[in-house]
Amino acid sequence: GQQVMQIPQYQHVQEGEDFTTYCNSSTTLSNIQWYKQRPGGHPVFLIQLVKSGEVKKQKRLTFQFGEAKKNSSLHITATQTTDVGTYFCAGEASGTYKYIFGTGTRLKVLA
Amino acid sequence: GAVVSQHPSWVICKSGTSVKIECRSLDFQATTMFWYRQFPKQSLMLMATSNEGSKATYEQGVEKDKFLINHASLTLSTLTVTSAHPEDSSFYICSATTGETRYFGPGTRLTVT
Repeated sequence: GQQVMQIPQYQHVQEGEDFTTYCNSSTTLSNIQWYKQRPGGHPVFLIQLVKSGEVKKQKRLTFQFGEAKKNSSLHITATQTTDVGTYFCAGEASGTYKYIFGTGTRLKVLA
Repeated sequence: GAVVSQHPSWVICKSGTSVKIECRSLDFQATTMFWYRQFPKQSLMLMATSNEGSKATYEQGVEKDKFLINHASLTLSTLTVTSAHPEDSSFYICSATTGETRYFGPGTRLTVT
């Protein structure tokens, strides 16, 4: 079945450093979504990417969707302590409306 | 914005009993809702897709007789964990879609003693 892996599993950074998490799917995706989950909280939708090679920015966050629509990345510039949490990608196999979540990357930002 | 609620937010039950979890879309109609389970420090695992007025579609490995899903209206889906056991202790999260955006409920933490 479809598998979605993320690397790294954990990342500790000093406040102000950049951070990147990578998402790789075993199958081609129709679109991909990114979520942030704070400790003890529920996933919060960040963004959806649909087009091959698409790049979207939200303030310090940059999201990319690979040309083959099988991988994606999330880059945070100059991390802040408020960025702490687990970042999940979730990919939809074409036409299923089912999103399979990636394994997640837990980010810790040291002040 | 769209909001999804879950009730209860946490529940403790004894082994062998059944627990019902409700998921409601508060300001939009959701023809499709999804149920996920999340074990501590793990990712969300899709359990089933719930469609209003029809039987739920379960993912491979999820026992449909143990996890009963009912989607009786466009704003309510319920998940009943029957004959719960300690290994069913988990964080259960529902999700509903408006078509483009997915909204998650706050989750229900189930502890089976």
